[in-house]
Amino acid sequence: ETVLTQSPGTLSLSPGERATLSCRASQSVSSNNLAWYQQKPGQAPRLLIYGAASRATGIPERFSGSGSGTDFTLTINRLEAEDFAVYYCQQYGTLPYTFGQGTKLEIK
Amino acid sequence: EVQLVQSGAEVKKPGESLKISCKASGYRFTNDWIGWVRQMPGKGLEWMGIIYPGDSSTRYGPSFQGQVTISADKSISTAYLQWSSLKASDTAIYYCARYTYGIDYWGPGTLVTVSS
Repeated sequence: ETVLTQSPGTLSLSPGERATLSCRASQSVSSNNLAWYQQKPGQAPRLLIYGAASRATGIPERFSGSGSGTDFTLTINRLEAEDFAVYYCQQYGTLPYTFGQGTKLEIK
Repeated sequence: EVQLVQSGAEVKKPGESLKISCKASGYRFTNDWIGWVRQMPGKGLEWMGIIYPGDSSTRYGPSFQGQVTISADKSISTAYLQWSSLKASDTAIYYCARYTYGIDYWGPGTLVTVSS
């Protein structure tokens, strides 16, 4: 199965700063079928990015995804208070679909 | 509007059986894969498996193969996750999830607590 490794485990930043989250796959992700999700405490995850770089409906432009093959990045520009949460990547190109272990974005 | 409505929280004893549900609405249920994701207390997301309600094709994650059963009743647009013998380690929140490009819709989650 494709193992996804996210880094860092925790990222401490201040509002207004830029966050860069990494997701590395153990093998090439088929058709760049890589998604990013945001999860806040007590809530279900929410789709942010699909196809590595396409924003889901209603997602602000400050969220962007990039990468291909085995290396992917989620960038959040000008962090807002509501962005502090846990972020997961998921590959849905090869069964079994797998998630990364998550990156916690916390307020510095 | 797409909605995934999950059944309520459950408290069970080890060894008991359980079937939880996810009723879909707002789209053609038979046209998209739907699946389940586990989140153990304080932990990350784990991919359990998916089903295509159109023909009941099912795929499981390696850790869940043989441990749970995923099914769907297309006549009532409902997906199910079933255990025949629960363990304490099955205590978790279980999310149902619709797949198009990634998981675009998530249910609110069903908390399953297994304790003697």
